[in-house]
Formats: sequence, C-alpha cells, structure tokens
Amino acid sequence: AQTVTQSQPEMSVQEAETVTLSCTYDTSESDYYLFWYKQPPSRQMILVIRQEAYKQQNATENRFSVNFQKAAKSFSLKISDSQLGDAAMYFCAYRSAGSGSARQLTFGSGTQLTVLP
Amino acid sequence: KAGVTQTPRYLIKTRGQQVTLSCSPISGHRSVSWYQQTPGQGLQFLFEYFSETQRNKGNFPGRFSGRQFSNSRSEMNVSTLELGDSALYLCASSLASATVDTQYFGPGTRLTVL
Repeated sequence: AQTVTQSQPEMSVQEAETVTLSCTYDTSESDYYLFWYKQPPSRQMILVIRQEAYKQQNATENRFSVNFQKAAKSFSLKISDSQLGDAAMYFCAYRSAGSGSARQLTFGSGTQLTVLP
Repeated sequence: KAGVTQTPRYLIKTRGQQVTLSCSPISGHRSVSWYQQTPGQGLQFLFEYFSETQRNKGNFPGRFSGRQFSNSRSEMNVSTLELGDSALYLCASSLASATVDTQYFGPGTRLTVL
C-alpha cells in the first residue's frame, strides 16, 4: 500500500514571501500521479497542481510550482509571492496510474499554512 | 460548467439512525468517489462508483454503502449511526479517462451524530 507523509503540521509565511511545503511518499509503483490540494476554512477541497510521474519536468501553475524528485520519492510545493488567500490546509495526494489501477487518492495528513500580513 | 454539488450541507442525527447523502458530479463526469474526513483519521477513501458499479472500496464496515444512478449522481448511506461516524463527507467526480484523471471535490456534507 502507498503512504503519503507530510512532516510539517503547520507553517507560516509573510505576505509576498515564498514558502515550500514538503511531501514524501512510499510506493513500489513506477507510474502514478501526485497532487496538491488546498482546503480553506470553507472546507472545499481545491486542486492546486498535479504531476505525472513519467514527466521529468516539474509542474507549474502561476505562483505554484513543485519540486518532484522521483528517486527520492519527494514532492514539495513552492508558493511564490504568498497572498492572504493562500491561507489553508494543504494536502499532498497520490494516485496509481495505468489501466485497472485503483483510482482513489491517498492523502497525507496536511500542512496548515498561515499567511501573515 | 457547474461544480460538484452535495446535499445536504449539514446533518444532525442520533445514534442508531441512518442517513443518506447525495452527490451530483460535474456534467460529463462518470466516476464518483467518496471520502471521509475526520480530525483523527484524516482523509480516508470510502468507495468509487463508475457506470453504476462500485469499482473500488475502502476499509469501512458494511454499514457504509453507496450507489450510482444512470445520470452519474451518487448517494451514500450509513446505517446504524455511531458517534464515530461524525465527519465531513466529501464527494469527488472525475472523467475516468485513461489519462490523468483529476478528481474535483464538492463542498462536503458535515454529519454530526449525537
């Protein structure tokens, strides 16, 4: 079974600064997908960014980018120019790939990000 | 395009009762997955439905069940409620395509069992 670990329960960042959230995972599979979701106080889970394991290039979405290290099984999220609206719980998630694979997401325990004005 | 909708948003039940939660996926999405979120256990997968068939199931007791209708809408049912069933229940839908199959979540149903 796959596991996802987020070792930082809480982090804070000053507005306009950069912050990196860590995530490691354990799997014996070679093909999979990784995701970062954010969950603000409204509890709505929102997709931030996704990465296909077969792609070496790190995914980016505006101010959000990832550092994907497949050999190290590491998948960190970098938020640049942090904004007050970025304050939320961030979850790292893993999903198997390939036909017939289980499609459920395996989530980490989350990192609560506070943005300081 | 409208997002995933879940009804009701809040529910209060007592032990021993049963409850039914509803999820309407994004138009065109054929897969619906359910997750339970609690402070102690985090986010845990309940089950996934695709084309009215349960395709995958998490490690939950048989009191938790679900179904999917021909229009891809899904319901989950919890019978004989226990205090520990108090949680946020999240539904997610996806295209269920062969490529990256991103799940998009609804706002959740907050269930409180007294």
